[in-house]
Amino acid sequence: DQQVKQNSPSLSVQEGRISILNCDYTNSMFDYFLWYKKYPAEGPTFLISISSIKDKNEDGRFTVFLNKSAKHLSLHIVPSQPGDSAVYFCAARKTSYDKVIFGPGTSLSVIP
Amino acid sequence: KAGVTQTPRYLIKTRGQQVTLSCSPISGHRSVSWYQQTPGQGLQFLFEYFSETQRNKGNFPGRFSGRQFSNSRSEMNVSTLELGDSALYLCASSYTSGGAEQFFGPGTRLTVL
Repeated sequence: DQQVKQNSPSLSVQEGRISILNCDYTNSMFDYFLWYKKYPAEGPTFLISISSIKDKNEDGRFTVFLNKSAKHLSLHIVPSQPGDSAVYFCAARKTSYDKVIFGPGTSLSVIP
Repeated sequence: KAGVTQTPRYLIKTRGQQVTLSCSPISGHRSVSWYQQTPGQGLQFLFEYFSETQRNKGNFPGRFSGRQFSNSRSEMNVSTLELGDSALYLCASSYTSGGAEQFFGPGTRLTVL
């Protein structure tokens, strides 16, 4: 039973355009959400997070939106750059001391 | 500050063997979590150790075990290897238990023949 879902295994976007990566979750107890980026042959690196008390968090070119009623969050990258090409994992956690549950990832390709 | 290190980076084993993977967290981090990554499955949580105690455990068989030492270094052991255990095993450290913003190592690529 996958509690964190990323239904698009891959996404291609032109350089300079917006990339939107989507994530859905099933457990309403999740209170903290994160996005990680992973390049080949490297471990994932933390990108941005959002608490369930917020609906938006922004960090430079990266913005995460949370819609709790729909159990949906999205990561927007504007403008997209070729260096953004990586696998993006959505993750969620229930409580401060609970394990982090990761989605299966979306592979983003930014085409120059 | 040195990052999370994992050794070895690559391993080839045969079915039935056992394997031990090692992880050294970032200095000062007391939590170490282990994940298994396979194509299409994302990162599957194995377990988390904090101050030498297992705090959380995922849904893996008992063949997968781990431990943490007083210096926060952690080891993961897989006994009686199966072909399906072939995967990238990632270790992540954080300052607190369940710390959401984890720092990952590069992983150990295990191939079981």
